[in-house]
Amino acid sequence: GQNIDQPTEMTATEGAIVQINCTYQTSGFNGLFWYQQHAGEAPTFLSYNVLDGLEEKGRFSSFLSRSKGYSYLLLKELQMKDSASYLCAVCTDKLIFGTGTRLQVFP
Amino acid sequence: DTEVTQTPKHLVMGMTNKKSLKCEQHMGHRAMYWYKQKAKKPPELMFVYSYEKLSINESVPSRFSPECPNSSLLNLHLHALQPEDSALYLCASSQEFTSGSSYNEQFFGPGTRLTVL
Repeated sequence: GQNIDQPTEMTATEGAIVQINCTYQTSGFNGLFWYQQHAGEAPTFLSYNVLDGLEEKGRFSSFLSRSKGYSYLLLKELQMKDSASYLCAVCTDKLIFGTGTRLQVFP
Repeated sequence: DTEVTQTPKHLVMGMTNKKSLKCEQHMGHRAMYWYKQKAKKPPELMFVYSYEKLSINESVPSRFSPECPNSSLLNLHLHALQPEDSALYLCASSQEFTSGSSYNEQFFGPGTRLTVL
């Protein structure tokens, strides 16, 4: 079966750093995506990892370890607008989304 | 134009109605997708079209009928829906859909919020 797990909810303070973990067990792997979704809006692309290691893009970084079936999204210098759901999605022969992590950023 | 547009934004329908959701992209993408998303849940794939042909149907009930009139348009025809079909319906597109190999980023539309009474 396909299993992608993330924490359900996280909270953090403005200006802080937060790490959102994602573990997966899937039949096949062709890369891992992170999407951000604000309430009532469409998911928007944040990052894509297909090789092990860290991909950095501004305040956001994403890490992948294929041998461990593990990824994380690191958000630095948190802003209020970062309050959203963060979706980990694994590409097999299609895109399978994890349960999503609701992040709340407080002043 | 790097947008996926969807109409209508909101739709309320009865169980005997027939309605259609529309999706459009002008990025030259050859793959288009329909997802269903319930509140506080991740999107669930319904259909994938690649080069205007249906590539994946995730065992979706026949009361949902997709149609791809051309490479820029994707419709979802709705008939005899149930209240549990109420959800956000998301359309997405990507450059290609190639099963079993490297994937292309999917661009999502804003969705249609459907309520079935």
